Amino acid sequence: EAQVTQNPRYLITVTGKKLTVTCSQNMNHEYMSWYRQDPGLGLRQIYYSMNVEVTDKGDVPEGYKVSRKEKRNFPLILESPSPNQTSLYFCASRDITYNEQFFGPGTRLTVL
Amino acid sequence: GIQVEQSPPDLILQEGANSTLRCNFSDSVNNLQWFHQNPWGQLINLFYIPSGTKQNGRLSATTVATERYSLLYISSSQTTDSGVYFCAGGSGGGADGLTFGKGTHLIIQP
Repeated sequence: EAQVTQNPRYLITVTGKKLTVTCSQNMNHEYMSWYRQDPGLGLRQIYYSMNVEVTDKGDVPEGYKVSRKEKRNFPLILESPSPNQTSLYFCASRDITYNEQFFGPGTRLTVL
Repeated sequence: GIQVEQSPPDLILQEGANSTLRCNFSDSVNNLQWFHQNPWGQLINLFYIPSGTKQNGRLSATTVATERYSLLYISSSQTTDSGVYFCAGGSGGGADGLTFGKGTHLIIQP
């Protein structure tokens, strides 16, 4: 089954404790991205990657890092999480020429 | 960047009713998608529809690219249709991501 997977699905952590949210897709898509969703602000793009070792900032990149060492994986790293990063996070992927994006199930992150 | 406006923001209907959700874009888009966010927060792809009309069961969508809007039709609503419906667009291809609207919160009452 073609899909985007994320782990963990739910996470409660404390300020300053480094964490990684993993994202993997099995559709051989070149393009992958991360979004966060907040009440009243909608979904906003954090980072995206056009291919292996090619990443760039989206609209709200502050406080986040990403890496793309393999085509199928695109982890989101929070080096020192803060409460304002409490949010619902989505990973997405698409083919570089065909534009339809496919989203993972989401990760609910709470930073205390 | 592209601005996306959705209307109405909230909609309450009785089961069996029909509804039309609208999405307006500030600029031309080559990528347009409709999503349903279910109560568990998951984003379900409904349509990829940069232009034209598509139908999937009780749902259909039409995009008039030249006039920068898209419509999502839901017929014979069921309680499981409840949730938030988002449209999202982009210029398409390359590095382009999706710009999301604020969504339409739909409640279908039994």
